[in-house]
Amino acid sequence: DGGITQSPKYLFRKEGQNVTLSCEQNLNHDAMYWYRQDPGQGLRLIYYSQIVNDFQKGDIAEGYSVSREKKESFPLTVTSAQKNPTAFYLCASSQGVFNNSPLHFGNGTRLTVT
Amino acid sequence: QKEVEQNSGPLSVPEGAIASLNCTYSDRGSQSFFWYRQYSGKSPELIMFIYSNGDKEDGRFTAQLNKASQYVSLLIRDSQPSDSATYLCAVNFIDTGNQFYFGTGTSLTVIP
Repeated sequence: DGGITQSPKYLFRKEGQNVTLSCEQNLNHDAMYWYRQDPGQGLRLIYYSQIVNDFQKGDIAEGYSVSREKKESFPLTVTSAQKNPTAFYLCASSQGVFNNSPLHFGNGTRLTVT
Repeated sequence: QKEVEQNSGPLSVPEGAIASLNCTYSDRGSQSFFWYRQYSGKSPELIMFIYSNGDKEDGRFTAQLNKASQYVSLLIRDSQPSDSATYLCAVNFIDTGNQFYFGTGTSLTVIP
């Protein structure tokens, strides 16, 4: 079955460490996204990518980095510069700009930094 | 700044009743509108999408779009306890290169 796989489901890190969250999709979607969700809050866009080797900052990109070397993969690195990294991270994909297609989400990674 | 606003709730309805969820957005250039359901601790799942003014029905769900009023709603008929979740409104603004903006969500509780 096609879908989006995020790993790991839970991640614990010490403050000051960088950590990379994995996101892989086999839907053949062009666009991929990273969102962050805090308790009781909506989704806030961190980064998005419309095509391979290209990505744009969202509203809260500071302290995060991404790469898009392959169509299927869009890993997110949470750096030590991110002041409040503990959150639920959601990866999503869509067919692309000209398709009016919805976002499809992975199951999320819950990151806890202490 | 693109904005999508929802009443946070909580909204409580008795089982079998109609639940009405509302969403407003800031930009007349918006193109596509989506409703997602999110259970506690889980990722959002797509319920419906709508692109044109008017109503769109899918089973117990009806999405209503009024672009002139910048308003989109979701009606859930014959509400079930399993419908208890947070409902997220998402808007794809046409001039932002396929960015999806989300409201903060409305928490719905269906009381048996």
